[in-house]
Amino acid sequence: QVQLVESGGGVVQPGRSLRLSCAASGFSFSTYAMHWVRQAPAKGLEWVAFISNDGSNKDYADSVKGRFTISRDKSTNTLYLQMNSLRVEDTAVYYCTKPGRVARPYDAFDIWGQGTMVTVSS
Amino acid sequence: DIQMTQSPSSLSASVGDRVTITCQASQDITNYLNWYQHKPGKAPKVLIYDASNLETGVPSRFTGSGSGTDFTFTISSLQPEDVATYYCQQSANLPLTFGGGTKVEIK
Repeated sequence: QVQLVESGGGVVQPGRSLRLSCAASGFSFSTYAMHWVRQAPAKGLEWVAFISNDGSNKDYADSVKGRFTISRDKSTNTLYLQMNSLRVEDTAVYYCTKPGRVARPYDAFDIWGQGTMVTVSS
Repeated sequence: DIQMTQSPSSLSASVGDRVTITCQASQDITNYLNWYQHKPGKAPKVLIYDASNLETGVPSRFTGSGSGTDFTFTISSLQPEDVATYYCQQSANLPLTFGGGTKVEIK
C-alpha cells in the first residue's frame, strides 16, 4: 500500500544538525512532488519545504530558509530534510507528505507519514 | 504570503449537532482550499479538497463550500469519533499556509 515512513528524529542541542529521512513505497515516487510539514508542541500545522518531482525546484518556509535543505533520491525512493543550525523553536513533529495528484505539486496532501519527533534542547 | 484566518479556535457541541468552521484567506485563492482532520498522535487526514470535493472514503457528513476568500466546513451531525482538530489550508501558492486550527470537542 501507499506508505511514507519517516526516521531520523531525536534530541539535539541548539546549533547542531540532524537529517530526517522519509521512505516512500506503493506509488511512483519520482512522479510526485513532496513536502515536509511540522507541528510544534501545542501549535498548529506549519508547511516547511517543497521539492518538485525531479528535484529541480525547491522552496522553504521563511522560518527555515538558509538552514534546512530538502532533497530526494529516486534510486531509493527516499525524501530527506537536512536541518542545520537548529533552534529551540524547530522542536516539532516532522511529517513528510505527498500531494494527491501528479499534475498538482501543491495539491491537498493525501498521504502522510507517521511523523518523527525532533527536540532541540540544551 | 497568504494568511488563513480560521474560526472559532475551539468549540464544544453535542452528538448529532451541526458544526460549522469558517476560514478566510487574505487574498483570492479561487477554490484551492483543503480541510484536514488531525487527531493526537496520528497523521493529519484530508477530508475535503478544492473547497468542496469529498476525499474518497470520507463520510458524507463532512462538507465544504466557498470560493475566493471565504470558505466553510460543516459536520452535519457530529459523532464521537469526530473529536479532533480541524485545519484549513490553501494550496494556491507557496508558501502553503494553514489556518490556526479548530479544536472540536463533545459537550
